[in-house]
Amino acid sequence: DTAVSQTPKYLVTQMGNDKSIKCEQNLGHDTMYWYKQDSKKFLKIMFSYNNKELIINETVPNRFSPKSPDKAHLNLHINSLELGDSAVYFCASSQGSLLGDTQYFGPGTRLTVL
Amino acid sequence: AQTVTQSQPEMSVQEAETVTLSCTYDTSENNYYLFWYKQPPSRQMILVIRQEAYKQQNATENRFSVNFQKAAKSFSLKISDSQLGDTAMYFCAFMKASGTYKYIFGTGTRLKVLA
Repeated sequence: DTAVSQTPKYLVTQMGNDKSIKCEQNLGHDTMYWYKQDSKKFLKIMFSYNNKELIINETVPNRFSPKSPDKAHLNLHINSLELGDSAVYFCASSQGSLLGDTQYFGPGTRLTVL
Repeated sequence: AQTVTQSQPEMSVQEAETVTLSCTYDTSENNYYLFWYKQPPSRQMILVIRQEAYKQQNATENRFSVNFQKAAKSFSLKISDSQLGDTAMYFCAFMKASGTYKYIFGTGTRLKVLA
């Protein structure tokens, strides 16, 4: 059983479009995250939610909007896509929001903006 | 500011041999956590091993072990009896233990295990 799942795995779209990536975890964790991995493989945190509340919001363009309908889901919506948004996006979850909690990652979504 | 450096972009090792991946970090924090993650071609990020900075004993998980040198701010990963399935990108990561959230990843080391 997949613990942290993301859909879609691949997303190819045109500049200016709006797209969403969905994430679900079945681990019963309270905290979920979104990370961006750029072409150089560098991972950077974007957002984190604990029990549907935003707790981390790094410097990310406001075209990116996370939405957490419940604690098992954290979706990422991106408006007006730009070429520089092309990357792999990882969702992750952890039991609590304590620093040091081990995070479990999803398989990633490769977004390509043409 | 905290930084994580992995100075080996690529490495290779023969099957069944041992390889060590290096990671150094810079922080003024006294308490923190360090992680090694594996990212195979499937892109899934898999936790390999975790170390709490306040623990002197090096963490071990089966064939994976770390050499944690707090004073030198070094956190290397040793893979013993390398297997073809170990072929992946390996990321070192640092997390603060208190205060504002900070989770920083290195740029990764691509490891290829050769048959």
